[in-house]
Amino acid sequence: SQTIHQWPATLVQPVGSPLSLECTVEGTSNPNLYWYRQAAGRGLQLLFYSVGIGQISSEVPQNLSASRPQDRQFILSSKKLLLSDSGFYLCAWSRGYRDTEAFFGQGTRLTVV
Amino acid sequence: RKEVEQDPGPFNVPEGATVAFNCTYSNSASQSFFWYRQDCRKEPKLLMSVYSSGNEDGRFTAQLNRASQYISLLIRDSKLSDSATYLCVVPNTNAGKSTFGDGTTLTVKP
Repeated sequence: SQTIHQWPATLVQPVGSPLSLECTVEGTSNPNLYWYRQAAGRGLQLLFYSVGIGQISSEVPQNLSASRPQDRQFILSSKKLLLSDSGFYLCAWSRGYRDTEAFFGQGTRLTVV
Repeated sequence: RKEVEQDPGPFNVPEGATVAFNCTYSNSASQSFFWYRQDCRKEPKLLMSVYSSGNEDGRFTAQLNRASQYISLLIRDSKLSDSATYLCVVPNTNAGKSTFGDGTTLTVKP
């Protein structure tokens, strides 16, 4: 069966510090991978998605970047965090063809102070 | 117009009530749709898939109206444990990604 791991679960970082969140998927190959952010009481905002190694699409301009160094690894990064980067970050995967459901990791709650 | 729109609620209903949520979408090419449930401070989890006119799973029924481009989720005999936010999801057939609605919050009260 497929599983998705995301860590850390919670993170408190000072403004201006770097960020690295990692997500890995097991039990499948060539998944589509996604990073979402959810502000408190709001819906999910798609930040990045990837259909293959090294292929990253950015949905919104922001202070963040994503990389996919391996087939089942997706990393969200920032060089310098802003207060507005606080939120609930969710990694997800779906099978590599259209019209399929996505499965989420447990999320990282990031607080920038 | 947003790609996926949901009534944000909140819906506050007593136990045993029947409640329905609607979701409208703009991408007429979408072939399948999903409802997710998200508990407070947790990740969304797949509740139901809708591939044709509808789908039923116990107390939950999802229906699709392609002509009017909306899907609905009906919950019968509401339980306290049904309290959550329900997200409507429409895959983007061209880009391999999905668009999530902002969610409808349901609170079931004793």
